Amino acid sequence: AQTVTQSQPEMSVQEAETVTLSCTYDTSESNYYLFWYKQPPSRQMILVIRQEAYKQQNATENRFSVNFQKAAKSFSLKISDSQLGDTAMYFCAFMDSGTYKYIFGTGTRLKVLA
Amino acid sequence: DTGVSQDPRHKITKRGQNVTFRCDPISEHNRLYWYRQTLGQGPEFLTYFQNEAQLEKSRLLSDRFSAERPKGSFSTLEIQRTEQGDSAMYLCASSFEGEQFFGPGTRLTVL
Repeated sequence: AQTVTQSQPEMSVQEAETVTLSCTYDTSESNYYLFWYKQPPSRQMILVIRQEAYKQQNATENRFSVNFQKAAKSFSLKISDSQLGDTAMYFCAFMDSGTYKYIFGTGTRLKVLA
Repeated sequence: DTGVSQDPRHKITKRGQNVTFRCDPISEHNRLYWYRQTLGQGPEFLTYFQNEAQLEKSRLLSDRFSAERPKGSFSTLEIQRTEQGDSAMYLCASSFEGEQFFGPGTRLTVL
């Protein structure tokens, strides 16, 4: 069975600084997808970034980028130039390419400080 | 299309009552998922549909829980004889064989 681990329950960062959220996973699958989702307080989950396991190049979306280390089963999220609006819970998710269902980590609560 | 919608957004009920939640997915999405999220935790998979077929149910989904997607469009999740442990956020998501798009959730409180 797949598992996803986020070892940082809470983090804080100063506005305009850079922060990295960690995620590790375990799977015997070779074909899968990884995602980072953002869940602002009392608001719905929003996709931040996705990574296909077969792609070696790390995904980037504006200020968000990932460090995908397939052999180490690590998938960290880097947020550059942090903004107050980045304050949220961040969830790492593994998607099985067969069923397309998600396995989520327990989340990291990120607070961006003014 | 404005995305995945869920109704109601909040539900307060007494223990032992039945409740039903509705999810309307993005119209062209063939897959629909239900998750449960408790405070401070990540969402946990409950069940999913491909079109109208329910393809998988988690062991978390006891006999008191039932889900339907009768015409492959909207879905309902019913909880019978609610218990205090059922208090959680129930999330619906839809996809077309790719990333999932989530609704705002239904927050259930069982007194």
